[in-house]
Amino acid sequence: GAVVSQHPSWVICKSGTSVKIECRSLDFQATTMFWYRQFPKQSLMLMATSNEGSKATYEQGVEKDKFLINHASLTLSTLTVTSAHPEDSSFYICSARSRGWNSPLHFGNGTRLTVT
Amino acid sequence: TQLLEQSPQFLSIQEGENLTVYCNSSSVFSSLQWYRQEPGEGPVLLVTVVTGGEVKKLKRLTFQFGDARKDSSLHITAAQTGDTGLYLCAGAPSTGSARQLTFGSGTQLTVLP
Repeated sequence: GAVVSQHPSWVICKSGTSVKIECRSLDFQATTMFWYRQFPKQSLMLMATSNEGSKATYEQGVEKDKFLINHASLTLSTLTVTSAHPEDSSFYICSARSRGWNSPLHFGNGTRLTVT
Repeated sequence: TQLLEQSPQFLSIQEGENLTVYCNSSSVFSSLQWYRQEPGEGPVLLVTVVTGGEVKKLKRLTFQFGDARKDSSLHITAAQTGDTGLYLCAGAPSTGSARQLTFGSGTQLTVLP
C-alpha cells in the first residue's frame, strides 16, 4: 500500500530555535498534504492544507508565520516550527492523498516535538 | 463546520467483552472512515463505508454507516488486548470540492487482560 514517511520521528529542541519536519510520499504523487497536531489521547486537529505548488491554507487560530509549510514537489511537504516554545510541544502528523476527490488518505507516523 | 462526536470518550473493558463506539453528526457525509492509532504512531485506516446502511465486517470488528449517512458505529466482539488504542472516525464532506476529512473526537479504548 501507499507509504508516507515522516521525519524525524522525534526531536528535542531548545526554546527559540526552529525545527523542520518532513513528510514524503514514497510511492505516489501527493497533490494534497495535510498537517495535524495531536495532544495525548485526543483527536487530530487540522492545522493546514497544502497543495503542491501553492500556498498552504491554514485553519483558524493557526499562525502561518509560526508554522511554515512548504509543498514544493509532489512527494515532499515540510512543516517548520519557528521560534519554538514549550507550548509548541506536541505530536505532529502529516497525511497525503493523490489526485481524485475520493482518493484515500495516507498518514505518516508522526513526529514527537519536545521544546525545552 | 461539520462536527463528529464520538462516544464514549474513554472505555476500559476486560478481555473477551464486547463494545460499541458511536460516531454522530448532524451533517451528511459522502463516506466515513474508521482509524485506529497506537501511541507514537500515525492513524491506520480500518475501513471506509460509503453507502447509507452499509455494514462491513473486519474479523471481530463490525462497522455500520447510518441510513442517512450522518452517523456510524464500530462494534468489537470478544475484545483482545491488541485492540487497545485510540479509535477515530472521519467523515468526507458530501458537497463542495474540499478534500479534507473531519475527524471525530476520538475514543480511547483500553482492553485489560
